[in-house]
Amino acid sequence: DADVTQTPRNRITKTGKRIMLECSQTKGHDRMYWYRQDPGLGLRLIYYSFDVKDINKGEISDGYSVSRQAQAKFSLSLESAIPNQTALYFCATSDLQGSTDTQYFGPGTRLTVL
Amino acid sequence: KQEVTQIPAALSVPEGENLVLNCSFTDSAIYNLQWFRQDPGKGLTSLLLIQSSQREQTSGRLNASLDKSSGRSTLYIAASQPGDSATYLCAVRVSGYALNFGKGTSLLVTP
Repeated sequence: DADVTQTPRNRITKTGKRIMLECSQTKGHDRMYWYRQDPGLGLRLIYYSFDVKDINKGEISDGYSVSRQAQAKFSLSLESAIPNQTALYFCATSDLQGSTDTQYFGPGTRLTVL
Repeated sequence: KQEVTQIPAALSVPEGENLVLNCSFTDSAIYNLQWFRQDPGKGLTSLLLIQSSQREQTSGRLNASLDKSSGRSTLYIAASQPGDSATYLCAVRVSGYALNFGKGTSLLVTP
C-alpha cells in the first residue's frame, strides 16, 4: 500500500463550488504539506503543518483552507472554487525527527474548475 | 526569495549515454537540496538528498553534486535507459519548512 494517499485522484467541478481534497499517510510523520503544480510554474507551497495544532500559510494560501484532523490526515479545501485553481495538487510528508527531512509525495489530485 | 532554475528544460538522448542535469539557486543559505523524479500521472519520487555540508550523494547510476558557494547542483545519470524517461525536479530547502522547486527538466531516453 502507498504511504501517502490522496483522494480523489481526479475531480471536475464548477466555479463557486466547495471542494475538499484529502490526504492520508501511514509513515507516522509529523509534518504535512500541500503544494500545487502548474505548467511552467513548478510546485508552490499552499499550506504546511508541523503537527495537529500547528498550521501555517505557505506562498499561495489565498482561496484555500486546511484542516489537520489527526497526525495522519491533512485536508485542503477550496471554499469557492475558481478556474485559476485548476491545477495538480500534491500532498507531502516529512519526518520532523529525521536527520534528512526528505519529503515524500502522494500521487496527486488533478482538479479542473470550469 | 529563493529562485531555482533548471537547465535544460527538455533533453532527448539515445540509450546508453551519460548525461548531466543542471540546477542553480540564488541564495546559498540552504539546509539541503533534493532531486526528485516525476512520472506522468504520478507523484514525485525522491532520488537523492544532499545536506548543505555535503558535496555529493550517489545512488546506483545517479550521482548528485552540490556546490553551495556557487549555487549549483548537478544530477549525473550514467548509462541512461528508456526507463529513465521522466521529469526531474530540483528543490532546495531554505528554512525550516518548505521546499523551493525548479520547473524541471523533461528527459526522454530513446531506444
